Amino acid sequence: DTGVSQDPRHKITKRGQNVTFRCDPISEHNRLYWYRQTLGQGPEFLTYFQNEAQLEKSRLLSDRFSAERPKGSFSTLEIQRTEQGDSAMYLCASSPGLAEGYEQYFGPGTRLTVT
Amino acid sequence: AQKVTQAQTEISVVEKEDVTLDCVYETRDTTYYLFWYKQPPSGELVFLIRRNSFDEQNEISGRYSWNFQKSTSSFNFTITASQVVDSAVYFCALTGSGNTGKLIFGQGTTLQVKP
Repeated sequence: DTGVSQDPRHKITKRGQNVTFRCDPISEHNRLYWYRQTLGQGPEFLTYFQNEAQLEKSRLLSDRFSAERPKGSFSTLEIQRTEQGDSAMYLCASSPGLAEGYEQYFGPGTRLTVT
Repeated sequence: AQKVTQAQTEISVVEKEDVTLDCVYETRDTTYYLFWYKQPPSGELVFLIRRNSFDEQNEISGRYSWNFQKSTSSFNFTITASQVVDSAVYFCALTGSGNTGKLIFGQGTTLQVKP
């Protein structure tokens, strides 16, 4: 069990550029979650997948954000036309169950800085 | 709407002291799950414990113990004989509605254990 991995760990980009993050969940975990964490705050839910289906998106996820999980394996989160307010830590987590209540295992996160 | 409140922003103790981190939650669901996560300086969230709403039994794991009281909507976390390695940000979380498994986090409590 290698844990949840995320790539890149850090990303610095200029306002207006597009960025894409990747998350590799623990093998065979059915659910994959994306959260965003800003300094001094707890993580906030963005979206989640059950296998390859994206089942819920938070209001935090504007039209500039899109996420995919092709074939129910790894997931990508893309932010188009980045804004300074997008600067945050983006966390990915996976969970083994198909119901609520299973613990989520988090990756190390991708820290995005928009200049 | 669900909400988690961690009123203690920062706590500082001297090594070997006992410390309790408070967590108060709000939910209208009858079935829900509560979690505690640890976020050390390295940044990766580490799962500590999960409780479901039907199990109010307190739990002890080594120096860690948890007190769940539905009557006061609280799920407090106590570290006995704290150590410097316990220094971290601790988050309490609650499952959101709708069987999505998404987590609603509190703002976190920063614990500093001084030698």
